[in-house]
Amino acid sequence: DAGVIQSPRHEVTEMGQEVTLRCKPISGHDYLFWYRQTMMRGLELLIYFNNNVPIDDSGMPEDRFSAKMPNASFSTLKIQPSEPRDSAVYFCASSLGQGQKALHFGNGTRLTVT
Amino acid sequence: GENVEQHPSTLSVQEGDSAVIKCTYSDSASNYFPWYKQELGKRPQLIIDIRSNVGEKKDQRIAVTLNKTAKHFSLHITETQPEDSAVYFCAATFFTGGGNKLTFGTGTQLKVEL
Repeated sequence: DAGVIQSPRHEVTEMGQEVTLRCKPISGHDYLFWYRQTMMRGLELLIYFNNNVPIDDSGMPEDRFSAKMPNASFSTLKIQPSEPRDSAVYFCASSLGQGQKALHFGNGTRLTVT
Repeated sequence: GENVEQHPSTLSVQEGDSAVIKCTYSDSASNYFPWYKQELGKRPQLIIDIRSNVGEKKDQRIAVTLNKTAKHFSLHITETQPEDSAVYFCAATFFTGGGNKLTFGTGTQLKVEL
């Protein structure tokens, strides 16, 4: 199994530009999570999906952030317009089934907004 | 919502010594407590987890204890080795049928010195 795959690994963009982060969960996993990691705030849950349906987006910081999961093998997190304070590492994670199950994280996307 | 506090934020030990990291949680209904290890520049990876019906769990040099009454749980690493150097995150969740909405602690930077 290739694990959770995220792209790109690094993204540098200018303030005001649109940024799209991509994630392919582990095949067969039915839960997908987007986390943001910063030194100041640690690991924050932004949104998560179950069977491609958004379940909880209460962690999405503001309307500039949006996430979609058009099918079971692909999700995107979009920031439009981006701001310097969005600079962080964004992790996608997936898990299988309900209950007390471990999260499998991707390698993350390091976003720098200048 | 759940709140997880983690201490210490940094921990330095000599190789071969033991390391203990402690976490407290706020939601008495939380029932799943995983621990993740994150090496520099890499993704968080699950190293051990414990469920609320168990007081202690051990896996080789790593053990986790849970005190539900006090809402404390701890990670114990014995015979530390340089490769144990990393950031360790505790997490807690209450499974509501909507999936694992993990709340993470702020992390402990463990340094094992030769």
